Amino acid sequence: DTAVSQTPKYLVTQMGNDKSIKCEQNLGHDTMYWYKQDSKKFLKIMFSYNNKELIINETVPNRFSPKSPDKAHLNLHINSLELGDSAVYFCASSQDMHPSAPLHFGNGTRLTVT
Amino acid sequence: AQSVTQLGSHVSVSEGALVLLRCNYSSSVPPYLFWYVQYPNQGLQLLLKYTSAATLVKGINGFEAEFKKSETSFHLTKPSAHMSDAAEYFCAVSDRILLGAAGNKLTFGGGTRVLVKP
Repeated sequence: DTAVSQTPKYLVTQMGNDKSIKCEQNLGHDTMYWYKQDSKKFLKIMFSYNNKELIINETVPNRFSPKSPDKAHLNLHINSLELGDSAVYFCASSQDMHPSAPLHFGNGTRLTVT
Repeated sequence: AQSVTQLGSHVSVSEGALVLLRCNYSSSVPPYLFWYVQYPNQGLQLLLKYTSAATLVKGINGFEAEFKKSETSFHLTKPSAHMSDAAEYFCAVSDRILLGAAGNKLTFGGGTRVLVKP
């Protein structure tokens, strides 16, 4: 059973398009995240939600809009895609917001914008 | 703001040799510390974490890490490398004083790629 699953695994699209990435966790966790990993493997948090409430919004362009319909799902919608958005996007979850809580990651969505 | 430095973006070891990956953090208050491993085309998996108990932390797959406050370090070791240890390793910190509404915000180091030679 996959704990944190995200779809699609690969996403190739053209500049200016709008796309979505979906994420689901079956761990019963309260907190979910989106991280971006660039071409140099650098990981940076984008958003976190706790029980459907936005907690962290890390100066991400407003073309990126997360949505959490329930605490098991956190989707990421991206408008007007740009070349610089090409990266691997990881969804993750943790039991709660405590800073000692380890994160459980999905396998990533590789977004390529041409 | 927290920062994490991993010395060496690439490490090459022979199978059976010691693996040593270095991690230093900058914080006046010792943070929570983590090591994650990323295999090709996969997400990150937790290897081990330090909260505030024993300074020597044992993790999965034979890895361990030692917290040294005086050196602000949390280096990862494994006595004998196996071919399956070839992966990218990330050190991460979470600010101990960020509780409540501030959320859990992991700051990652730049990663160290481990290559294991037969």
